[in-house]
Parts: sequence; structure tokens; C-alpha cells
Amino acid sequence: GQQLNQSPQSMFIQEGEDVSMNCTSSSIFNTWLWYKQDPGEGPVLLIALYKAGELTSNGRLTAQFGITRKDSFLNISASIPSDVGIYFCAGQEGMLTFGGGTRLMVKP
Amino acid sequence: ETGVTQSPTHLIKTRGQQVTLRCSSQSGHNTVSWYQQALGQGPQFIFQYYREEENGRGNFPPRFSGLQFPNYSSELNVNALELDDSALYLCASSGPGHGETQYFGPGTRLLVL
Repeated sequence: GQQLNQSPQSMFIQEGEDVSMNCTSSSIFNTWLWYKQDPGEGPVLLIALYKAGELTSNGRLTAQFGITRKDSFLNISASIPSDVGIYFCAGQEGMLTFGGGTRLMVKP
Repeated sequence: ETGVTQSPTHLIKTRGQQVTLRCSSQSGHNTVSWYQQALGQGPQFIFQYYREEENGRGNFPPRFSGLQFPNYSSELNVNALELDDSALYLCASSGPGHGETQYFGPGTRLLVL
């Protein structure tokens, strides 16, 4: 099925470092979402973006909705061990279309 | 916690069997969407129910079927199970408007032997 192109696939960083991941699509979406999924659990919504060009923050997380409505990025500043998990981008047009995920590992 | 619950948490079945998974949506939500997540991949959309009617379907065969009840809870039924049906099945609820942000339950892990 269709998926968004999400990169990188995995990252292994030192605690305190900043992280950036992004997502691109060949299709336009009116809403972009970023979710985090811990092992054995469902995805948890981090940030929702509703307007092209919108830049939104949620604590140490910042996400932007691309002007073309075909891309988005997520930044995490000053990473901590509990940031470990898999981050998914998703475009919404009724249903959600997900990226393949970015697995984040943080070394204390 | 999103308020979306799913049961059972884990299930083991054999090929050819049938399975029913259940989802209770968050209070005030009237839309339930179901997703299949294979190991190491992002979730794939199966179908969506809005006010008890199917409101969109992904690329899944007819042996995947569903229901939504008047209280907006939902069931996913899979007939003639195949090995490739082994996955985490997620439901997400949203509403009350159409196209609103979806909140996920913890999922049901299905293993088909």
C-alpha cells in the first residue's frame, strides 16, 4: 500500500543532542500528524499540523507542515532517554497514510 | 491515555480460522478506523466506520469485514486467516466532526500459526 517516505529509518544519538526527521509524499495532504509508538503500544499523537507552512511546538518537539503540503519535519531538542521509540509521520485525508517510521535510540 | 480500548490484547489462531477483534471508542467520538501494522512497518488502513456505516476502505480483501454499533464501538472480523495476517491490529477513534484527529488504542497482537 501507499506509504510516505520517512527518513532516517533509525538514529542512535547521545542524550542531549537534537534530532531531526522528515517525511515526503507524492500526494498532497490537508493534515499532517506526528505519532510516537512505544513497544507493544498504539501510536500516541505528538503534534497535528493543519495549515501549509504551519510551525507548531509541543515542549521540546517542533514540527512544520511544508508549503507544498507534500512534506513535514519533526525536530526534538535536547533529547532524553524517554524519547526512545518509533516516530511515525502520517498524512490525513479521511484515512491516515503512514510513513515507515524512524527508530530513535538515545544513549545516556 | 486516549480512552480507546481494544480486546483482546493478544490472540493466537491457526490458518483458516476466523477472528473477531473489538474496539471501544473514546467518549464523544463517532468514527472508528482500523489499521494493520506488520512488524517493522507503519500501520496500513483497513477501513473506517462513521455513524455505523463503512466510510472508506483500504486495499484489503473482503475477508476483512467490520461493524460499528449504535454506541460507536466496533468490531473487526477476519475470515479464513492466513499466516500473513499476523500483525498488530490498531483501532483509532475520532470525532464528533468528520475528518478529525485520530487517537489510537493499544492494539491487539494477532499471531496466526
